[in-house]
Amino acid sequence: ETGVTQTPRHLVMGMTNKKSLKCEQHLGHNAMYWYKQSAKKPLELMFVYSLEERVENNSVPSRFSPECPNSSHLFLHLHTLQPEDSALYLCASSQERAYEQFFGPGTRLTVL
Amino acid sequence: GQQLNQSPQSMFIQEGEDVSMNCTSSSIFNTWLWYKQDPGEGPVLLIALYKAGELTSNGRLTAQFGITRKDSFLNISASIPSDVGIYFCAGQLRGSGGSNYKLTFGKGTLLTVNP
Repeated sequence: ETGVTQTPRHLVMGMTNKKSLKCEQHLGHNAMYWYKQSAKKPLELMFVYSLEERVENNSVPSRFSPECPNSSHLFLHLHTLQPEDSALYLCASSQERAYEQFFGPGTRLTVL
Repeated sequence: GQQLNQSPQSMFIQEGEDVSMNCTSSSIFNTWLWYKQDPGEGPVLLIALYKAGELTSNGRLTAQFGITRKDSFLNISASIPSDVGIYFCAGQLRGSGGSNYKLTFGKGTLLTVNP
């Protein structure tokens, strides 16, 4: 694997389900990010981890819970989501926070 | 907060034509990035600019960092069908510590190329 990978690529869940999104970067970076991409809106930064420490939580509802067990892996745990949470969730990584960010292919999430 | 205005929102062109798009900001950045996103994929970094006035090329793509540090331009020459996608600009104010690493994204320019 190369670059930034995300699984699953597509996810459909009910509002009472619990699911997790996974991101893995193979670039040797030490900062990782979760973004939300909705139609007609700019990318929204959700969380930032630097050296496995969360350094940014952009007023994201608690039904989204990130986890960064090491510098290569990032998870987004989802529970009791709302239909308006349906979007493309993108993971990105960078060498350090001040450097260019490289994105994964995203997980297309649909909440029914 | 910072906002980026990216224009045009969409473009329909014929194969072989040149394309220009731009981003303007209400505040200065010291880094400009241009990404392309294909349907169902994540954004891919095309060009990074680090200095006011800088002009950088990547194949048929050329981008410029505006002198005022509040704008950037992307040109695509001799477009081909695979240029189809959404092009995003992103501004960054790099600095030590704090929040000086965040990317501020434009809403994107949707490019359609007719063969």
